[in-house]
Amino acid sequence: QSVLTQPRSLSGSPGQSVTISCTGTRSDIGGYDYVSWYQQHPGKAPKLMIYDVSKRPSGVPDRFSGSKSGNTASLTISGLQAEDEGDYFCCSYAGSYASHWMFGGGTKVTVL
Amino acid sequence: EVQLVDSGGGLVQPGGSLRLSCTASEFTFSSYEMNWVRQAPGKGLEWVAYISSSGDNRYYADSVKGRFTISRDNAKNSLYLQMNSLRAEDTALYYCAREMTGSGFDYWGQGTLVSVSS
Repeated sequence: QSVLTQPRSLSGSPGQSVTISCTGTRSDIGGYDYVSWYQQHPGKAPKLMIYDVSKRPSGVPDRFSGSKSGNTASLTISGLQAEDEGDYFCCSYAGSYASHWMFGGGTKVTVL
Repeated sequence: EVQLVDSGGGLVQPGGSLRLSCTASEFTFSSYEMNWVRQAPGKGLEWVAYISSSGDNRYYADSVKGRFTISRDNAKNSLYLQMNSLRAEDTALYYCAREMTGSGFDYWGQGTLVSVSS
């Protein structure tokens, strides 16, 4: 089962910005504006941070932002805080049948 | 508050079967599409199966097609995953997740662990 491509790890100091990329194909990211991002802390369920490429659910800080260009989506965390440390997964709608949803392999964000 | 509670996981031998359940509360379950997503130990997320709000449409990942069946009972606010012919590679934490039609998954269960081993 193929996955969307994310960097395995990124790090930044408090207050800095980090950007996580998520590369797919025109069959998933490039074909739909249905990219979402999830934050996961150890032992916890994933939490929705961004949906529809750039929309934030209620309660998600505005330092989290999303964008897309072609087959690549990005999540930017501005003003990094200690509680932002965790795993981040991108996800894209990929059509109705065998690949309905595709996830990225995940990026471990470390706050130095 | 919206709640999804996953249950039914356990240790099963290769080739065995297991039925997972997800009980929903505090929202109109029958109005939402639902999914199962799994996470192998130390690994990333993998979409497993989708079911429409009425149950009429169901889609599966290639890795489970023909072995797993997703279903729902809207009268009982419950989602199910029947897993047959289990393999070691099916070992994972299984989450049910509510779908915002086409937009992503806004609520997740706490997960239920399935271990396939002899």
